[in-house]
Amino acid sequence: GAVVSQHPSWVICKSGTSVKIECRSLDFQATTMFWYRQFPKQSLMLMATSNEGSKATYEQGVEKDKFLINHASLTLSTLTVTSAHPEDSSFYICSAKPLGSLNSPLHFGNGTRLTVT
Amino acid sequence: GESVGLHLPTLSVQEGDNSIINCAYSNSASDYFIWYKQESGKGPQFIIDIRSNMDKRQGQRVTVLLNKTVKHLSLQIAATQPGDSAVYFCAENWAGSYQLTFGKGTKLSVIP
Repeated sequence: GAVVSQHPSWVICKSGTSVKIECRSLDFQATTMFWYRQFPKQSLMLMATSNEGSKATYEQGVEKDKFLINHASLTLSTLTVTSAHPEDSSFYICSAKPLGSLNSPLHFGNGTRLTVT
Repeated sequence: GESVGLHLPTLSVQEGDNSIINCAYSNSASDYFIWYKQESGKGPQFIIDIRSNMDKRQGQRVTVLLNKTVKHLSLQIAATQPGDSAVYFCAENWAGSYQLTFGKGTKLSVIP
């Protein structure tokens, strides 16, 4: 149980275009999902916390107008990278917290490799 | 042996030996800790967790030790196998927060 599905697993796009990444909790509901970014040989850095039915909370230094987050249901959050540039190329990973759990492990998707050319 | 690269420390062990991966966490208020395993091109996979009211917890072939005095966490893997080769991250969480803060990670390489 507690499977998080992320789609697509990889995407290549041209500079200036937008890319949408989906994160779904398949067998549980999640009021809170998290979006991380990971550069090669580095740790996961939290970008934003996605809350179902309300605005996302962004970490310092993350542009909310560039990384649009929508969490319209208890099983789906999307991250849209708008006007992507080569420096946005990274590994984006989402995670979800089951409804009603506080101190319990986050379940992670398998990530999306974004390459902007 | 253990070496520190530009970004990611690396630990090389012989197959069958025990591995010890260390982590220093940052927040003395953290009360929940998790070890994750990340294979290349994949998301983190839960290994084991421990709460701050414990100092040791064992799983299958893995043991986590917590020393709150010096804010140190370790992961011990018994009889390390080639399939254990991956990057290992510790993560901390504090009461009332849903967020996890990840450590820098250690790359474990198992020599057959």
